[in-house]
Amino acid sequence: NAGVTQTPKFRVLKTGQSMTLLCAQDMNHEYMYWYRQDPGMGLRLIHYSVGEGTTAKGEVPDGYNVSRLKKQNFLLGLESAAPSQTSVYFCASSDRLAGTYNEQFFGPGTRLTVL
Amino acid sequence: KQEVTQIPAALSVPEGENLVLNCSFTDSAIYNLQWFRQDPGKGLTSLLLIQSSQREQTSGRLNASLDKSSGRSTLYIAASQPGDSATYLCAVIGNTDKLIFGTGTRLQVFP
Repeated sequence: NAGVTQTPKFRVLKTGQSMTLLCAQDMNHEYMYWYRQDPGMGLRLIHYSVGEGTTAKGEVPDGYNVSRLKKQNFLLGLESAAPSQTSVYFCASSDRLAGTYNEQFFGPGTRLTVL
Repeated sequence: KQEVTQIPAALSVPEGENLVLNCSFTDSAIYNLQWFRQDPGKGLTSLLLIQSSQREQTSGRLNASLDKSSGRSTLYIAASQPGDSATYLCAVIGNTDKLIFGTGTRLQVFP
């Protein structure tokens, strides 16, 4: 039972390049989330999904797109990377079943640097 | 708009001390409150989750309390150890299913 995994762990991009971050969970959770963590700003929600085929905007969605084609995977895309997107990205998943109370479980993070 | 504040921002204590970390939130209409631990360069590990109907949760040397009406939670760590050194984050979730995080308390426990 791997929990929440993220690929890749580290990445360096040049301004204008694109990339996709992959999040996978094996807990059969309905809900999945993408956050970014910046010094002094805490964790902020980028996009989230409440089920396969659904996505919704979080607090800081601009410059990012997401897709949830399969229940276990949640992809975060950067179409044209900017230095302001240098951050650590965390994926999380949760469920709303009785007894779980939407407890969120986090992946290990992806450290992205945009030059 | 929900805002979560954690005080102090940093704390350094000798091994063996009992300590309290504070978390306050502005909107008392929460579904639950979650405490996390984050080690440098690592992800978040869930420590305790308190439902809105509960007043406290315990796990080993950790005890978290919740006073929803006053918008406060405390994390009590008994007999602190150097291995407890990490950043502790609290987060609240309302009926929007979105976790709102505080900026954390960085704890250092020295031998």
